[in-house]
Amino acid sequence: KNEVEQSPQNLTAQEGEFITINCSYSVGISALHWLQQHPGGGIVSLFMLSSGKKKHGRLIATINIQEKHSSLHITASHPRDSAVYICAVLPTPGAGSYQLTFGKGTKLSVIP
Amino acid sequence: EPEVTQTPSHQVTQMGQEVILRCVPISNHLYFYWYRQILGQKVEFLVSFYNNEISEKSEIFDDQFSVERPDGSNFTLKIRSTKLEDSAMYFCASSEAGWVNTQYFGPGTRLTVL
Repeated sequence: KNEVEQSPQNLTAQEGEFITINCSYSVGISALHWLQQHPGGGIVSLFMLSSGKKKHGRLIATINIQEKHSSLHITASHPRDSAVYICAVLPTPGAGSYQLTFGKGTKLSVIP
Repeated sequence: EPEVTQTPSHQVTQMGQEVILRCVPISNHLYFYWYRQILGQKVEFLVSFYNNEISEKSEIFDDQFSVERPDGSNFTLKIRSTKLEDSAMYFCASSEAGWVNTQYFGPGTRLTVL
């Protein structure tokens, strides 16, 4: 089973700072999801990627398949970015049960 | 923008009772999922559903759980005899075309078993 590790567990930043959240996994994957969980509990999908880099607004997600590592970057952070950011991975087909395995999440607090 | 909806938002039940959690996926989506998140813990996969049958299920999804798509719009999760440890937030999600696609999550149902 894939082990998904996120770092840091908690992150406090000043408004405007550049933020990086990391995700490592132990077994090869077919896709990786970055999700945002709001303080109220709701979950929003930010990115799904299987290679390279994706950008949406101030958010950038990268993945290095060889190193089994992905990063989520937030540029010009804002207090409304405060949330828990979750990494989830999907195994390659045939590599056991085809389901998402989630990390524990990184809690981000952005202070004005 | 289309969204996944879930009802109720909060359900309180007594241990041993049956509960049904309801979800309305996005209308043109074909794949449906249930996840749970025990308070303070990570999200866990329960089951995926496609073409009116279960496509994958986790070890958590034992005989006390079942899913159904009773009509063209609803997707339900039934827990037959609730236990204290079933207390969690349950999220429904849907995607247009399978796992390697963006999943859209509902707001969740908080289940409290007393």
